Amino acid sequence: NAGVTQTPKFRVLKTGQSMTLLCAQDMNHEYMYWYRQDPGMGLRLIHYSVGEGTTAKGEVPDGYNVSRLKKQNFLLGLESAAPSQTSVYFCASSPTSFSIKAKNIQYFGAGTRLSVL
Amino acid sequence: KQEVTQIPAALSVPEGENLVLNCSFTDSAIYNLQWFRQDPGKGLTSLLLIQSSQREQTSGRLNASLDKSSGRSTLYIAASQPGDSATYLCAVLSGAGSYQLTFGKGTKLSVIP
Repeated sequence: NAGVTQTPKFRVLKTGQSMTLLCAQDMNHEYMYWYRQDPGMGLRLIHYSVGEGTTAKGEVPDGYNVSRLKKQNFLLGLESAAPSQTSVYFCASSPTSFSIKAKNIQYFGAGTRLSVL
Repeated sequence: KQEVTQIPAALSVPEGENLVLNCSFTDSAIYNLQWFRQDPGKGLTSLLLIQSSQREQTSGRLNASLDKSSGRSTLYIAASQPGDSATYLCAVLSGAGSYQLTFGKGTKLSVIP
């Protein structure tokens, strides 16, 4: 009953370092999303994927790259971390198709807290 | 661009009170509206989803309504309990061809024993 699992839970980086956040879901969902949550800004979509091998930009994609090589995994990469990327990152997944978009519920992971010094 | 606003930003009520949280959105062309709960340091838990064709949804002590034409939703919590203390987030799914949830900034609820 894992649902959406994010790894790691916490991370501290120095400016310029790189890292990859891993999101894994065991619900066979087609769609996966990466959000960031900042105080006073709410959650904002970074990138999303509508299926294995596909990715698309969200509202705030700059400075991030993503890959969806396997249906169950969605990776978020920071090539050269900046202090502005200090945030809490959430991954979500949903089992949607266009015909039932109105019923699309997104299931969220517990988050990754990232600090960039 | 869709914008979602939640009022109030914070609310403190004594245990047992009924309360209403408000959410408004600027573009009425939505697929659905969702209410989430977020506990400190935790992820988001979906509470209720209202499809664009629906007017309300109920789950236990929670009732959410949707007035798409006016761009408003309310979350009603009956007989509040200290365990209801959390941040409540409203989000709308909109945009042809996209699956982007647009979130409000949330209402932080404190229920005082």
